[in-house]
Amino acid sequence: DTAVSQTPKYLVTQMGNDKSIKCEQNLGHDTMYWYKQDSKKFLKIMFSYNNKELIINETVPNRFSPKSPDKAHLNLHINSLELGDSAVYFCASSQEGQLNTEAFFGQGTRLTVV
Amino acid sequence: AQTVTQSQPEMSVQEAETVTLSCTYDTSESDYYLFWYKQPPSRQMILVIRQEAYKQQNATENRFSVNFQKAAKSFSLKISDSQLGDAAMYFCAYRSRNNNDMRFGAGTRLTVKP
Repeated sequence: DTAVSQTPKYLVTQMGNDKSIKCEQNLGHDTMYWYKQDSKKFLKIMFSYNNKELIINETVPNRFSPKSPDKAHLNLHINSLELGDSAVYFCASSQEGQLNTEAFFGQGTRLTVV
Repeated sequence: AQTVTQSQPEMSVQEAETVTLSCTYDTSESDYYLFWYKQPPSRQMILVIRQEAYKQQNATENRFSVNFQKAAKSFSLKISDSQLGDAAMYFCAYRSRNNNDMRFGAGTRLTVKP
């Protein structure tokens, strides 16, 4: 079973559209993240949720809205997509207080805005 | 917020040789975690090695080892007996113990020459 799964893996859409990326983890972790990886491979944290509560909200446009219906899910909704939103988006999860405290990543979603 | 710096955008090593990737970070915290992740062309993020800041002993995982210098805020990765499969982007990451904030460096692209 995949520990952290994202859907879709690829997403091509036109400017101005609204789209969502879903993320689910089956590790029982209490923290989930969204990262954006740009064309230069730089990984930038966007959001961090702990037990469904927003912990970190970096400077991202209001068009990006995370939704955490429960501890196992953290979806990313993007309104009015722009060309600059094209990137790979990674979901990740981790657990505070455990020895193995690294983040586990999904396979990424490559978003292309045309 | 903490910052992580990888000063080597690209590195190259001959197969079977040893290479060291550099990472420095800036923090005012005393307890935190450090990681090295590998990202092959498949774009999956794979944990290579982790280090808890309160542990003085350097972590080792088979051919991978770190040189953790807490006072200097340095965390380098040494890859011994390099293999073709080690070719990838390598990211250094810092995770705060208190707020689930996980930050990445800009990455180092490692090429392994046969």
